[in-house]
This record gives sequence, structure tokens and C-alpha cells, in this order.
Amino acid sequence: NAGVTQTPKFQVLKTGQSMTLQCAQDMNHEYMSWYRQDPGMGLRLIHYSVGAGITDQGEVPNGYNVSRSTTEDFPLRLLSAAPSQTSVYFCASTSSGSQRTFGSGTRLTVV
Amino acid sequence: DAKTTQPNSMESNEEEPVHLPCNHSTISGTDYIHWYRQLPSQGPEYVIHGLTSNVNNRMASLAIAEDRKSSTLILHRATLRDAAVYYCILSTWNRDDKIIFGKGTRLHILP
Repeated sequence: NAGVTQTPKFQVLKTGQSMTLQCAQDMNHEYMSWYRQDPGMGLRLIHYSVGAGITDQGEVPNGYNVSRSTTEDFPLRLLSAAPSQTSVYFCASTSSGSQRTFGSGTRLTVV
Repeated sequence: DAKTTQPNSMESNEEEPVHLPCNHSTISGTDYIHWYRQLPSQGPEYVIHGLTSNVNNRMASLAIAEDRKSSTLILHRATLRDAAVYYCILSTWNRDDKIIFGKGTRLHILP
């Protein structure tokens, strides 16, 4: 099915480790974004992209890097994981005139 | 970005209509009003959006005040499956790259 695919679904990291959360969409959407959701809270925007080669910071960008080398992929990198980054991460994509589609999320625990 | 204000939670009986309010007094002329909902343990999903006129789709209706400073999402006949957090969000029409989520309204459906 077409949509937004996030991998992995679950991940446990030790403090200081790095990892990349993958996000891919097959709808040819130009806009993609990453959100984090802490327990009982709403979503907070981490980074977003308006097209290949263009990224920008959202509300809570510290500790995360992104790149957008292709239209389809928008990986999120944690440089040195911290317990404060324990959260559920959602990737989303959209294009002008279409509705935003979210992935099913990656549940990350940093110990 | 213009902000929205929603009640923290609401309750409704199954098979009755539900009216979810949203205030956005600082809305600009190019801001679209979007509604998303998030079912338990899932990513957000699109519900409906509008600019000035009331809108209907298979999921819900959106009633927009004449001055556009408030709107109401209407679920015509709530089911248990409609229990979710509902987010009211503003997004400018030509910059659908980032949207900021508030805390939303948690809707409880009573059987």
C-alpha cells in the first residue's frame, strides 16, 4: 500500500549511541517532516523539508540531524542519544493540495 | 504561526453527534483550518480541512465561523472507534511544509 514507511518500529539505545530512523514515502510528496511525541503530549516538530536538498529546523531540533538527498527518503539521525530523547517519533509527508500522511511511528527508548 | 485553543477533553455518548470546538482568533487570511485525529497507539490521520466555507466529507463536517476566528468539527454519529485525540491546526495554503500541533482534545465516547 502507498504511504509513509518508518523503520524500525521499536529501538532501544544506550546513552551516547547514535542511530538513524528511516522514513520513506512513495507518493511523490515534496514536503516531509519529523515529529516526536512524549507520553500524554501532543506532537512537536523536529525538522522538516520542502524538497530534495532543502531542510529546516522545527520546534525541537537540538540533538537531531536530517538530510533529504531524494524526494522519497528523509532519515532522522540521533548523534549521541540521551534519555530525554526517549519518545515516539513520527514521520509525515504531504504536497500542496493533498492531505498529510503519517507513518506508524518508531518507539525509541534510551537507557 | 497562528495558534489554536481547544478544550483538553470532552465526553459524548455513542451514536450521538459530537461538536468539537476550536478557537483561532489570530488566524490570517491565507490560513487553512485542518483537523487531524490520533487513535491510541497510532500516528495522526487527516480528518478534514477548510478555508472559509463549511466542508463535509465521509468522516465529518467542518463548520467555520463567518469571521473565521473559530471552527467546529462535527462527528454526526459518534462510535466507540471515534475515541481519539483531535487536533485543530492552522496552515498557510502555500506553505504546507510545517504544521505545529497543540495538545488537542481527548474525546471519550461512552457506550
